Amino acid sequence: EPEVTQTPSHQVTQMGQEVILRCVPISNHLYFYWYRQILGQKVEFLVSFYNNEISEKSEIFDDQFSVERPDGSNFTLKIRSTKLEDSAMYFCASSDRQARLFGPGTRLTVL
Amino acid sequence: AQSVTQLGSHVSVSEGALVLLRCNYSSSVPPYLFWYVQYPNQGLQLLLKYTSAATLVKGINGFEAEFKKSETSFHLTKPSAHMSDAAEYFCAVSDGRSQGNLIFGKGTKLSVKP
Repeated sequence: EPEVTQTPSHQVTQMGQEVILRCVPISNHLYFYWYRQILGQKVEFLVSFYNNEISEKSEIFDDQFSVERPDGSNFTLKIRSTKLEDSAMYFCASSDRQARLFGPGTRLTVL
Repeated sequence: AQSVTQLGSHVSVSEGALVLLRCNYSSSVPPYLFWYVQYPNQGLQLLLKYTSAATLVKGINGFEAEFKKSETSFHLTKPSAHMSDAAEYFCAVSDGRSQGNLIFGKGTKLSVKP
């Protein structure tokens, strides 16, 4: 069964550093998403991406965040200058018109 | 605006007992509703979804949920809990567009006692 994959599983970084979280969506899916879950809190929507552009974004997704689909398979989330409060689990998801499938997540720890 | 409220951050049941996880939603448009499950150190797995067809929705692993518009509820049930059901369960709502943003509840952690 096809799966959404994410790398790395755990990323530790210093405050102010740039991080790139990587995702490989399901190959025939057209819609891509990033969500995050701060420890002990609810899963929060960050951004959706379709046809090589952002289709929707939340208030969380400020200028420090960017997304890119650099080739036909990867979907990346970049945080330019990480803050302590960016520490969270980041989930990538992709969907066709039937189901939104989530990856296993990347745990980002900002020190 | 849409929102989801899950009553009870932690539910504990005995193996073989009924599982009932509560979810109430708020939506100004006809909603799509979802239940996801998250096992420890894993991602979110779709259990079931309601997209304006049958109000009683059956999902994987013996779970089902009933959409009740009058009560704005979408509670998740399973007749007989199994140890492997121990996980965190999230209710989510979208605005009816099939690719709309998902708004998640805070989650309910289900424990199953032997």
